[in-house]
Amino acid sequence: ELKVEQNPLFLSMQEEKNYTIYCNYSTTSDRLYWYRQDPGKSLESLFVLLSNGAVKQEGRLMASLDTKARLSTLHITAAVHDLSATYFCAVDRGYLRSGANNLFFGTGTRLTVIP
Amino acid sequence: NAGVTQTPKFQVLKTGQSMTLQCAQDMNHEYMSWYRQDPGMGLRLIHYSVGAGITDQGEVPNGYNVSRSTTEDFPLRLLSAAPSQTSVYFCASSYLGLKDNEQFFGPGTRLTVL
Repeated sequence: ELKVEQNPLFLSMQEEKNYTIYCNYSTTSDRLYWYRQDPGKSLESLFVLLSNGAVKQEGRLMASLDTKARLSTLHITAAVHDLSATYFCAVDRGYLRSGANNLFFGTGTRLTVIP
Repeated sequence: NAGVTQTPKFQVLKTGQSMTLQCAQDMNHEYMSWYRQDPGMGLRLIHYSVGAGITDQGEVPNGYNVSRSTTEDFPLRLLSAAPSQTSVYFCASSYLGLKDNEQFFGPGTRLTVL
């Protein structure tokens, strides 16, 4: 059974500080996604990581993937209040078999950025 | 494009009642899926479909039925609602077979079963 673990579960950080969210998964995967969810809202896609060593950046967020360690990280640089949200990683095993995007989600990291 | 739409936004049911959650997409996506999100947890896959007439079970299919008669629509049926099905339900869709594939999520349906 595929397990996806995120840590920390809760993260309270001051503005302008840096921090990293970790996502470990238990079996091989085709793709890894990062999503953002604001309270009471749907999920917004942030990054799709496809191969070992992949790194993607958008604004103050940077995601990386190490398939050998089965680890992805989401690094936050110089946090601002607008980044407060819950961040999920999700692992996709279905692509090679059927092309289907069957995602297995981590439990999420609730980030609060304090002014 | 409206993207992925879901109705209703909120629903309250009594134990044993049945209902259908609606999901539609106008992007001509082959793949559609249903997830549930419980407090403090990530999303879990209920059922999915890779095209009209083709459906399959996900992680937590018990108590739910789906059908896919058209590319656009993928309704989720609760046959006999139970309090354990209180959750937020998200529908999602994407193309199939693309390596760099983004999955689009609907706004969600918040269901309470009393």
